[in-house]
Amino acid sequence: QPVLTQPPSASGTPGQRVTISCSGSSSNIGDNFVYWFQQLPGTAPKLLFYKNNQRPSGVPDRFSGSKSGTSASLAISGLRSEDEADYFCAAWDGSLSEVFFGGGTKLTVL
Amino acid sequence: EVRLVESGGALVQPGGSLRLSCAASGFTFSDHYMDWVRQAPGKGLEWVGRSRNRANSYTTDYAASVKGRFTISRDVSENSLYLQMTSLKTEDTAVYYCTRGYCDTTGYQGLDYWGQGTLVTVSS
Repeated sequence: QPVLTQPPSASGTPGQRVTISCSGSSSNIGDNFVYWFQQLPGTAPKLLFYKNNQRPSGVPDRFSGSKSGTSASLAISGLRSEDEADYFCAAWDGSLSEVFFGGGTKLTVL
Repeated sequence: EVRLVESGGALVQPGGSLRLSCAASGFTFSDHYMDWVRQAPGKGLEWVGRSRNRANSYTTDYAASVKGRFTISRDVSENSLYLQMTSLKTEDTAVYYCTRGYCDTTGYQGLDYWGQGTLVTVSS
């Protein structure tokens, strides 16, 4: 049973809005910030959101992050072909004193 | 420009040891957390461990899967981060990324820079 659970895949057509979920528990997402990363094929991951919904400079505002209770979501609107990538959520778990990543969601732009 | 360059990846036998290095530049090394994150071939990301900043006395934390076998250290004079790995297992095979955990006056802000990664293969 993974600590943070993401759907393994998601898809959408250009221009659509896609949402990726990340489910955890009170000791991780419930009590700590959520971070999102984008990994394009063959490259190192890139920070997409910090502190639940804070976008680093350079990340388009088509991307948005949110958190409610023990779950978090990443939304991408106006989907583009270059958004095709793996997306990972992450959070600190205060009970286990570790950072956990979700299993990752592979986004396909049809 | 922030740069993180890992080195030291190699093929090693099960039970062996290896030390990875990460040369950091372009920022004040002691001000930020430094993490190691790994990715097994075709798999997702797995956090390995953390060295906090000087303000937090460079304390460390580790994933349960590596605790007692891996040790993270840093040489502030050399702006280098290290990952000493012992008792290596086949399941430790992965690309190992050195990452910066950016900290400002409000605290930790996330893993904002990643190196290109170095491949560790544990196999007989």
